[in-house]
Amino acid sequence: GAVVSQHPSRVICKSGTSVKIECRSLDFQATTMFWYRQFPKQSLMLMATSNEGSKATYEQGVEKDKFLINHASLTLSTLTVTSAHPEDSSFYICSARDEKRQVFNYGYTFGSGTRLTVV
Amino acid sequence: QKEVEQNSGPLSVPEGAIASLNCTYSDRGSQSFFWYRQYSGKSPELIMFIYSNGDKEDGRFTAQLNKASQYVSLLIRDSQPSDSATYLCAPYSGNTPLVFGKGTRLSVIA
Repeated sequence: GAVVSQHPSRVICKSGTSVKIECRSLDFQATTMFWYRQFPKQSLMLMATSNEGSKATYEQGVEKDKFLINHASLTLSTLTVTSAHPEDSSFYICSARDEKRQVFNYGYTFGSGTRLTVV
Repeated sequence: QKEVEQNSGPLSVPEGAIASLNCTYSDRGSQSFFWYRQYSGKSPELIMFIYSNGDKEDGRFTAQLNKASQYVSLLIRDSQPSDSATYLCAPYSGNTPLVFGKGTRLSVIA
């Protein structure tokens, strides 16, 4: 239970183009989803909190116009990296929690991640 | 945001030994913690959640929480090469995002 599906798993794009990453909660509804970024050999850095039906909350230093987040339904959040540049190359991971399940048993579920390479 | 500190390692232990991973925190308001494991190139997976002082055991894993000294640790008994991964701790505070420490990279040597 509490499965989060993330697509695509890998994407290579040209500098200046935009890339959309999808995160779906498959067997639960998620009013909130979280987006992380991870550079090689570094820890996960929280980028933003995605809120269903309202604006996302971005962490300090994260450009909201560059990383567009849309959470249009209770099961889908998308992250669009706009005008991507090589420095945006990273591992992007989404996360959500099924609030109907006990946190001490299920915790937060993570998507499988998207490895973005901008060339 | 609530922060935790972890030694980034690598921590190398021989197969069959006990691996001890530590996490300290500065916010006395933190009451409960998650331990996650992350294999290289993969996303984190839940190991354990602890909210009470003392020990919590699950199979080969034991989490320990000491609120007075503000640390939480994870012991892995009978370490296996498949336990080689990065271990992340994070405080839990309601439906807010998990903010992880740097993680400790564990290497179990066969």
